[in-house]
Amino acid sequence: AQTVTQSQPEMSVQEAETVTLSCTYDTSESDYYLFWYKQPPSRQMILVIRQEAYKQQNATENRFSVNFQKAAKSFSLKISDSQLGDAAMYFCAYRRAYYKLTFGKGTLLTVNP
Amino acid sequence: DVKVTQSSRYLVKRTGEKVFLECVQDMDHENMFWYRQDPGLGLRLIYFSYDVKMKEKGDIPEGYSVSREKKERFSLILESASTNQTSMYLCATGGREADTQYFGPGTRLTVL
Repeated sequence: AQTVTQSQPEMSVQEAETVTLSCTYDTSESDYYLFWYKQPPSRQMILVIRQEAYKQQNATENRFSVNFQKAAKSFSLKISDSQLGDAAMYFCAYRRAYYKLTFGKGTLLTVNP
Repeated sequence: DVKVTQSSRYLVKRTGEKVFLECVQDMDHENMFWYRQDPGLGLRLIYFSYDVKMKEKGDIPEGYSVSREKKERFSLILESASTNQTSMYLCATGGREADTQYFGPGTRLTVL
């Protein structure tokens, strides 16, 4: 069974600094998708970034980028120039068959002013 | 923009009651999902539907059922609510390719 592991239950970062959130996953498949979702306090879950496994190039969305290491089954999220609005729970997710997502347990990110 | 709405943000029910949670989307998406979110456990898939009247069990379907009579609406039913079903329930939708799922605001259900 596919599993997604986020080893950091909580992280904190100073405003304007860079932080990296870790995610590893377990799968025997070669073609799949990986995602980072963000859930701000009392607000809706939104997609931050996604990565197709067949693409070697790491995905980037403005201040958010990933380090995708397929052989190591690692998918970390880097947030540059952290802002107060980045404070949220971040979930790593793996898309498996029939469009089902498997989520990690989440990392709570605090941004200190 | 995709809009996914859920019938209630907060709900309090008694043990043994039948509970309906409704989710409505306006994007004509084929796929709809129900998750429950618990601290320290992340999100776990309860049921999903890939078409009208079609449903498939997720990872934790016990104690739940679903209904999808119309494409835009996906209901989660707790036939006889129990205290261990106290949780945050999130609905999500996705298109045929379903690369991305779009989430509703969630319903925080408390069963007393």
